[in-house]
Amino acid sequence: DTEVTQTPKHLVMGMTNKKSLKCEQHMGHRAMYWYKQKAKKPPELMFVYSYEKLSINESVPSRFSPECPNSSLLNLHLHALQPEDSALYLCASSLRRPDEQYFGPGTRLTVT
Amino acid sequence: KNQVEQSPQSLIILEGKNCTLQCNYTVSPFSNLRWYKQDTGRGPVSLTIMTFSENTKSNGRYTATLDADTKQSSLHITASQLSDSASYICVVSADTGGFKTIFGAGTRLFVKA
Repeated sequence: DTEVTQTPKHLVMGMTNKKSLKCEQHMGHRAMYWYKQKAKKPPELMFVYSYEKLSINESVPSRFSPECPNSSLLNLHLHALQPEDSALYLCASSLRRPDEQYFGPGTRLTVT
Repeated sequence: KNQVEQSPQSLIILEGKNCTLQCNYTVSPFSNLRWYKQDTGRGPVSLTIMTFSENTKSNGRYTATLDADTKQSSLHITASQLSDSASYICVVSADTGGFKTIFGAGTRLFVKA
């Protein structure tokens, strides 16, 4: 299984909602990443988990809260988002840094 | 400053033609360089990965080259197909004891029939 899966594919939420994005991989990778990508821009790194511990937080606002419950799962909890947070959220994993990252298909998030 | 610059920003070619995309970087110390293909609204898919000692790598109709001395890479697409229409992103990693990945802005390729 060489796949990173993400759910949901699309999400529309209001500014007062609480929602979560989910990412899963079964490749035995020990590094997992969250990226945010706006249209026609490259992905921007948000968080990196290495061996289930948060190793990088790129000064992301606290309304985004990552969680890595085990080596195969990565969640991104969302609360009180702003319309400008609307973007494609990508999850990726790699065997170890800085090896090749495998990306998931992304979750298209719209904040209304 | 670590930077990755790609050119051209966008490119339109006819189906069946070849094209070459460029990537220049100033990332140091260099660890590896990857080319990804990203369809609109989808996640990037890896095409090639090259380390310092590799100067060419192929994946089907895609051939990447790396000149570590001039810090330049290119992605050559042979006999383009309509399905090649996508953004192509050059990503360079620096191994600084920590980890730093720098994404280029991408080249948007349009293949027309």
